[in-house]
Order: sequence, then C-alpha cells, then structure tokens
Amino acid sequence: QSALTQPASVSGSPGQSITISCTGTSSDVGGYNYVSWYQQHPGKAPKLIIYHVSKRPSGVSNRFSASKSGNTASLTISGLQAEDEADYYCASYTSTLVIFGGGTKVTVL
Amino acid sequence: QVQLVESGGGVVQPGRSLRLSCAASGFTFSTYGMHWVRQAPGKGLEWVAVISYDGNNKYYGDSVKGRFTISRDSSKNTLYLQMNSLRGDDTAVYYCAKDTHEGAATVYFDNWGQGTLVTVSS
Repeated sequence: QSALTQPASVSGSPGQSITISCTGTSSDVGGYNYVSWYQQHPGKAPKLIIYHVSKRPSGVSNRFSASKSGNTASLTISGLQAEDEADYYCASYTSTLVIFGGGTKVTVL
Repeated sequence: QVQLVESGGGVVQPGRSLRLSCAASGFTFSTYGMHWVRQAPGKGLEWVAVISYDGNNKYYGDSVKGRFTISRDSSKNTLYLQMNSLRGDDTAVYYCAKDTHEGAATVYFDNWGQGTLVTVSS
C-alpha cells in the first residue's frame, strides 16, 4: 500500500498561515475519521499534534488546526513561528492498520 | 512523566536476527497498547507493529509480517520486537510508542522513545 501523499515542502514567513495537505483514498483518509498529524524536529522523535482528524492533545498550541474533506486531510499552522520549522507527517487508519504520509518539510523564511 | 527507552539496536548481517527492547515508566504499562514505528535514514515514518494492552492481539505491517514478532512483559514494563531474517531495507531507527488511550489500541501515538538504530549490512 502506497504512503499518503503530502507535498515535499511548504514554506512561509513568520506570522503567516500555511496549510499542508494529505491525500489518500476511500480506503484510508476518506473512509475513516482516524487521521492524525505528527511534528518531527531534526534528530528528535515525532510528536503527536492532531488526532481524530481535528483534536489537539493537551499542551499542543491552538495555532495548529486540522480538517478533512473527502480523501484529503489538511493541517494548518497559523501565526507561523521559527519553532514550527520541522517535518510534518499525516497518518491514517487503513486495512493494514496505520499508514503514514511521506512527510512535508516546513521552512520558516 | 512517561518515559520510553529503546535498546538493542546495532549492526547486523542480512539474514540474522536482533531483538529490540523498550523500557517503559511513568504510566500503567499493562493498560496501554504499544507500537513500534520505524524510520529509514532520511526517509518517512513506517508503522511496524502493535500489541494490545493484554498481549492477546498483535498486528503487523505488510513489510515485516512473518519475520518480526512483537511481545510484552508487563511484569518488567518492557516491550519487545524480535526481528528475524533481517534485510537491508530494515535499516532504520526503531521507535516504540505508547497508544493514546487505555484499553483497546488505537492508531494514535502520544509518547515516543528516542529510538534505536538498526543497520543491516554485510
């Protein structure tokens, strides 16, 4: 099963908003509300920032928001900050349990 | 606070075996599903396996099915991954990760270890 499709890179200036897309199929993203997003800084373990499509774990900034429409999920980072520069991965439930996206590198200009 | 510490990684020849461990603390280990997720150098994340809180249910990614075995010892608060018939494409950092909810395993991982590197090479 192929990974979910994410753009390789997205960039923005401090204070701006950016959106990362995550495209799958009706067998994963489109078929279930079990989409999550992870942030990973270089050399560090991933961190859960969104689960169940749009829920934020305790302690995660409300600058992170997410949604889903059809087979595509989206993560929006508003008020972009230098600390948001990282790799971001989406993930979804599927028949083989969990499938990740290929990752998106966010650069703060 | 939750702490997950992986160990057991290293360099191993193709076809050989290796066992990873993940020592858990800071939460009631016996009530949470646990996962292994790996990341090849410079690549994305790949889910490997999950084990239910009671050890009765185990599921594997297609690329490791039949070669890897996940297990747990709740008396030692430790998660394991037995890796057999290792191949070059198994080279990766292996993370153990805790499920977000007690009881039935979900597909969300709210705490991760620092990872242990497995290199498969002759």
